[in-house]
Parts: sequence; C-alpha cells; structure tokens
Amino acid sequence: EAQVTQNPRYLITVTGKKLTVTCSQNMNHEYMSWYRQDPGLGLRQIYYSMNVEVTDKGDVPEGYKVSRKEKRNFPLILESPSPNQTSLYFCASRRFSSYEQYFGPGTRLTVT
Amino acid sequence: ELKVEQNPLFLSMQEGKNYTIYCNYSTTSDRLYWYRQDPGKSLESLFVLLSNGAVKQEGRLMASLDTKARLSTLHITAAVHDLSATYFCAVVPETSGSRLTFGEGTQLTVNP
Repeated sequence: EAQVTQNPRYLITVTGKKLTVTCSQNMNHEYMSWYRQDPGLGLRQIYYSMNVEVTDKGDVPEGYKVSRKEKRNFPLILESPSPNQTSLYFCASRRFSSYEQYFGPGTRLTVT
Repeated sequence: ELKVEQNPLFLSMQEGKNYTIYCNYSTTSDRLYWYRQDPGKSLESLFVLLSNGAVKQEGRLMASLDTKARLSTLHITAAVHDLSATYFCAVVPETSGSRLTFGEGTQLTVNP
C-alpha cells in the first residue's frame, strides 16, 4: 500500500532532550516536506527536500534540522526541543512530476 | 511575505444548503491546493488548480481559481453531514520553488 509513515505518533519529552521524528515513504517520491500545525495558524512548512541531499528552509525552520540521505526517508531532528515546539507535525511527499501531495498520519509532540 | 487568507474561518450550515469558502492570496502563484482534514486525522488532497480559470469538481465540491484576482473558491452544493471537516487552501508562489503556504483553515459543520 502506498503510504507515508511517521514515527512516533505521539511523544512527550522534556526541554533540551534531542529527538528525531522519522518519516518514510514507499512511493519513490522525490519531494518530501515537514509541516507543523498549530491552532489558529494552520499548517506552516518547516523544511522541504527536492531530492536526496537537497534540502531547503520553509517558513519556520528555526530549531529544526533535517537530512535526506536516502530517497525514502526524511527525518526531522530537534536538537534541543523547547516548549514552543509543542505541536502536531506532518510529513508529506509527492512525485516531482505530479502536484498531488500525500500526507503522513501526524506526530503529536509535547515538550515540557 | 505571502499571505493566504480564508473566509469564513467557521461555517455552520444546514444540510441541503449551498455555500462558498473563499481563499485570497497576496502574490502571484504557480498553483493552489485544497485539502480536507477530519478531526484528529491527516490531510486529504481534494484539488490542485494550475491555471487561471481552472475549475475542478468532485461530488458536492467544486473549486475554481482566478489568478488575476488572486482568489480561489470552494463551493459546496447541497451539503451533507459527511462534509463536516476543516478545509484548507494552500498556495505555491511563482518565485518560491516548492514552498507551500497554507491558509488558516475553514471549519465546516453541516447540521442535519
């Protein structure tokens, strides 16, 4: 089944403890992206990647890192999480020649 | 800075009625997306609009794009309860490559 998976789905952590949220797609998509969703703010793009080893900042990249070493994986890294990074995170992917974007199920992160 | 504004943000309507959600954006755009999100769920792609005058329809939903006015509409015909969800528009500016900016979302409730 074609899908975008994220792990973990729920995470509660403490300020400053490094964490990684994984994102994987099995559709051989070139483009992958991370968003955060906050009440009243809609979704905001954090980082995106056009292909392996090609990443670029979205609208809210501060406090996040990404890497794209393999086509299928696009992990989101929070080196030193802070409470203002408490949010719902979505990963998405699409084929470069298509405009339809597929979203993962979301990761709810709480930083205390 | 690109601004994407939806209105209304909250919409309560009766089954069988028609209504329109508006999405205004502040810069020239390559493409415009409409997504649906059910509570606690991920985003589902509804439409991608690529050119001025584009119109797409799926069931009771019809989306259109006027690039000159920088306006997209999502028209709901004869609403049914199953359409209750939050609807987002999202825009890719011409100059941004693949950066996607979302509106705040319109929370639609269809009452029996």
